[in-house]
Amino acid sequence: DAGVTQSPTHLIKTRGQQVTLRCSPKSGHDTVSWYQQALGQGPQFIFQYYEEEERQRGNFPDRFSGHQFPNYSSELNVNALLLGDSALYLCASSRLEGQGGSPLHFGNGTRLTVT
Amino acid sequence: GNSVTQMEGPVTLSEEAFLTINCTYTATGYPSLFWYVQYPGEGLQLLLKATKADDKGSNKGFEATYRKETTSFHLEKGSVQVSDSAVYFCALSGAGSNYKLTFGKGTLLTVNP
Repeated sequence: DAGVTQSPTHLIKTRGQQVTLRCSPKSGHDTVSWYQQALGQGPQFIFQYYEEEERQRGNFPDRFSGHQFPNYSSELNVNALLLGDSALYLCASSRLEGQGGSPLHFGNGTRLTVT
Repeated sequence: GNSVTQMEGPVTLSEEAFLTINCTYTATGYPSLFWYVQYPGEGLQLLLKATKADDKGSNKGFEATYRKETTSFHLEKGSVQVSDSAVYFCALSGAGSNYKLTFGKGTLLTVNP
């Protein structure tokens, strides 16, 4: 049973460029959340997708956008990259069942470096 | 808003030593509390959780008790192993919403043989 898979594992971009990161959730999961983890910090919630819609958003600018596909996979897009966007981007999936849902399962992340 | 404060690291211990990593939180209502572990080059793995006051989460010899009166969820293990070396994150989620986690900054644990 494959867990959460993310691609690519590493990425180097230049300031001002745009980037797309991809995530496939764990089998049986229907909800995908994205987190940004800066070096030496805890992950910060970006947004969550369920039924192909953004359901909740953290404190991130509109340069950060996403999408969820009918097969539950998801993309994170970041436009007009800044040096400060350099971080590990983590995808997490879960099942939206009942109160509180199921525990989050995290992927290994995409390391984005902006130069 | 919600916040998590955890013990600054790094923490260095010898094998078989006792481990405590302190975690306190600020939240409205009754959050769920979690400890996640991150091994080098990997994503986060759920270590244990507790969903209501006085609950004790446990896994792989690690334990943490949800203390509402002190708003704490300290992680403990009686005898650490070299393989426990990792970064440990305390986190909380609001009631009915486990996908939006608020994390602490993490504590790096190194266990020497």
